[in-house]
Amino acid sequence: AQSVTQPDIHITVSEGASLELRCNYSYGATPYLFWYVQSPGQGLQLLLKYFSGDTLVQGIKGFEAEFKRSQSSFNLRKPSVHWSDAAEYFCAVGAKEYGNKLVFGAGTILRVKS
Amino acid sequence: EAGVAQSPRYKIIEKRQSVAFWCNPISGHATLYWYQQILGQGPKLLIQFQNNGVVDDSQLPKDRFSAERLKGVDSTLKIQPAKLEDSAVYLCASSPTGGTIYFGEGSWLTVV
Repeated sequence: AQSVTQPDIHITVSEGASLELRCNYSYGATPYLFWYVQSPGQGLQLLLKYFSGDTLVQGIKGFEAEFKRSQSSFNLRKPSVHWSDAAEYFCAVGAKEYGNKLVFGAGTILRVKS
Repeated sequence: EAGVAQSPRYKIIEKRQSVAFWCNPISGHATLYWYQQILGQGPKLLIQFQNNGVVDDSQLPKDRFSAERLKGVDSTLKIQPAKLEDSAVYLCASSPTGGTIYFGEGSWLTVV
């Protein structure tokens, strides 16, 4: 069965510090990988996506993620966090073989302290 | 480009009542999804349409949930009768075939 694990429910970082949010997946097909962000009361906004090619992908708002097939991971990073980055972050996995529907992790809530 | 539109944004109903949510996808997107997001969890797929046909409804509680996508554009998700555990955000999303999925703002349902 397809599954996505985000090990950290909450993460707190200081403004200006670096950030890494972890995502591991279990999938029986070549995955497409996504990170979405959700602010309170809002829908999901796409941060970045990986379909194929370069395993380091750049997204909006200064985020990047690296696909590591050997570790079944797709961790999200940002070198310097801003207070406006406080939100919930979801990793999601899809595959053509499964109709491209997305399976989501449970999310990581990011708190930014000044 | 207009995004995925959903209405109503917020709804409070009593248990055993019915509710309907409407979604208008991004123009030209053949695939439409309804996801349910319970507080503290990631979104879970309820149903996927390709044009006006159902691709996957394996996680849709069919005894109380129904969805349709007439003419392959707009979609409606209905719950009847509602239970307390149906309190959630109902997210509509759309994509071109095989492409990136874009989400609407969600319809927030509270069942009391």
